[in-house]
Amino acid sequence: GDSVTQMEGPVTLSEEAFLTINCTYTATGYPSLFWYVQYPGEGLQLLLKATKADDKGSNKGFEATYRKETTSFHLEKGSVQVSDSAVYFCALSDQGYQKVTFGTGTKLQVIP
Amino acid sequence: ETGVTQSPTHLIKTRGQQVTLRCSSQSGHNTVSWYQQALGQGPQFIFQYYREEENGRGNFPPRFSGLQFPNYSSELNVNALELDDSALYLCASSLGGSSTGELFFGEGSRLTVL
Repeated sequence: GDSVTQMEGPVTLSEEAFLTINCTYTATGYPSLFWYVQYPGEGLQLLLKATKADDKGSNKGFEATYRKETTSFHLEKGSVQVSDSAVYFCALSDQGYQKVTFGTGTKLQVIP
Repeated sequence: ETGVTQSPTHLIKTRGQQVTLRCSSQSGHNTVSWYQQALGQGPQFIFQYYREEENGRGNFPPRFSGLQFPNYSSELNVNALELDDSALYLCASSLGGSSTGELFFGEGSRLTVL
């Protein structure tokens, strides 16, 4: 079945540091890929998405590129802020969009 | 535009009891999915409802059941509660037939089973 593997946290960075959170997936067919974010005390919300190979999703300075050859969708940001502290989930959806499969989440803490 | 709302936000039950969780979908969305998120884990797909019919189910036993109403709101029912059912239950709405697969989540109902 479909699965998502992402790097374990917590990840602690200083403000303005470069962020990478690794994510790899296993799926049949051509899934859509997502990064969701869960800020403290809030619900999950979509951060960015990519629906086909080589697509780059971007939002709020975050980027991720759909790499079919390496089955990866790594999240990057050039300069993190304290307000980026949250739990980040990599996810994929099947072609019928009936089910989204999530990774276990990576907690990011950014310190001033 | 009204977002996804869930109730109750917190509840405590004892083993063997039954629970009903409720969800109002975002305005204009006709599809509701339910997820279980155990502490420190990612959400796990329970099932999805589209136009009042179950439209996909994850690896959960039959004591997890649901309903969707004509206004697209939904209920999740869990019978014969077990300690391992303690988790955050998330409702997500979406527009069926959308090409994006994006989900819009509520803040969840936290269930504790004692």
